[in-house]
Amino acid sequence: AQSVTQLGSHVSVSEGALVLLRCNYSSSVPPYLFWYVQYPNQGLQLLLKYTSAATLVKGINGFEAEFKKSETSFHLTKPSAHMSDAAEYFCAVSDFRGNNRLAFGKGNQVVVIP
Amino acid sequence: NAGVTQTPKFRVLKTGQSMTLLCAQDMNHEYMYWYRQDPGMGLRLIHYSVGEGTTAKGEVPDGYNVSRLKKQNFLLGLESAAPSQTSVYFCASTQGARTGELFFGEGSRLTVL
Repeated sequence: AQSVTQLGSHVSVSEGALVLLRCNYSSSVPPYLFWYVQYPNQGLQLLLKYTSAATLVKGINGFEAEFKKSETSFHLTKPSAHMSDAAEYFCAVSDFRGNNRLAFGKGNQVVVIP
Repeated sequence: NAGVTQTPKFRVLKTGQSMTLLCAQDMNHEYMYWYRQDPGMGLRLIHYSVGEGTTAKGEVPDGYNVSRLKKQNFLLGLESAAPSQTSVYFCASTQGARTGELFFGEGSRLTVL
């Protein structure tokens, strides 16, 4: 079964600094990979997705992620953190053999320090 | 643009009571899901449905039942609530194969005393 691992439940970043959230996946077939964001008291929203086209994927709010097959990784980055980036971020994987089931990581709570 | 709507948003139950959470989507999506979110655990799939009249178990189905009598609605039931079911429940839906994008409701916070 496919799975993703996100290390470090809480991530603190200074305003203006690089945001880097790590995600490693496990899948027996070429995966589809996703990053979702959850703002306080809201549901999850899709940030970006990789579906076997370009390995560098750009998403909303200046985020991007790079698919690296050799490292089984799909890390999320943003060059300059903004206060509005404070949220919880989830990596997810699907091979689409399981009825569109996504397996989510445990999430990273991002705190932006002024 | 309603999207995915969950009711109720908050509920407090006593141990042993029953309740139903309703999820409604207006996007004509085939696939619908119920997840629970607990601190440090991420989202875990409870049950899901691949179309009207179908349901299937996810990772953590025990203590829950579901029904999908209409395409737009997906109900999650707790027959005898337990404190371990205190959680935030999210419903999600998607169009179908290979899209990957789930559309989530705003969540239902359930407390079982």
